[in-house]
Amino acid sequence: DAKTTQPNSMESNEEEPVHLPCNHSTISGTDYIHWYRQLPSQGPEYVIHGLTSNVNNRMASLAIAEDRKSSTLILHRATLRDAAVYYCLAGSGNTGKLIFGQGTTLQVKP
Amino acid sequence: KAGVTQTPRYLIKTRGQQVTLSCSPISGHRSVSWYQQTPGQGLQFLFEYFSETQRNKGNFPGRFSGRQFSNSRSEMNVSTLELGDSALYLCASGLGGETDTQYFGPGTRLTVL
Repeated sequence: DAKTTQPNSMESNEEEPVHLPCNHSTISGTDYIHWYRQLPSQGPEYVIHGLTSNVNNRMASLAIAEDRKSSTLILHRATLRDAAVYYCLAGSGNTGKLIFGQGTTLQVKP
Repeated sequence: KAGVTQTPRYLIKTRGQQVTLSCSPISGHRSVSWYQQTPGQGLQFLFEYFSETQRNKGNFPGRFSGRQFSNSRSEMNVSTLELGDSALYLCASGLGGETDTQYFGPGTRLTVL
């Protein structure tokens, strides 16, 4: 699995967009990029994943750089409920083995 | 559909004892993974079971073991508990493929005194 680097913390205002960056410069061609988040006192939850193309779902968008060495998770309108630790993971093989880094703690201000 | 359930939710043990934690995956899921979360080390992968076979293993000592039953339910066991084993133990289930979503349970909080 590729090593990922994320900022330790970020702040956002409620109802504004949030861009969470992730660097994965050693990513291989078969590695998927996954994002999970962990709300306080809960287990992690899936957010989004992608391989090469940008992806959208009801929770967020994932923008992947053309060289795939970085990606950005986009929350279009942050809410207080989005305050969590966001983890970026990059790896191939089955997702039963997820290698988590330290993640980014997102604070959302009202 | 019911989510991943873990029992017990909280546990207090003393050094030297052993403990067994249980995880019931989402119906239809054949993969169950276990993770340890501590403030110092973060989320660390312990092992994964798929169709009753250990498919992946993390870098933990042999005191940490697990098994999976034919109904996909899984247990993990920690023998000869140490103070450093105090942690939140999380279980996740999935279908077992390359991009399958992992669904995590609420965890079992283990305190070793």
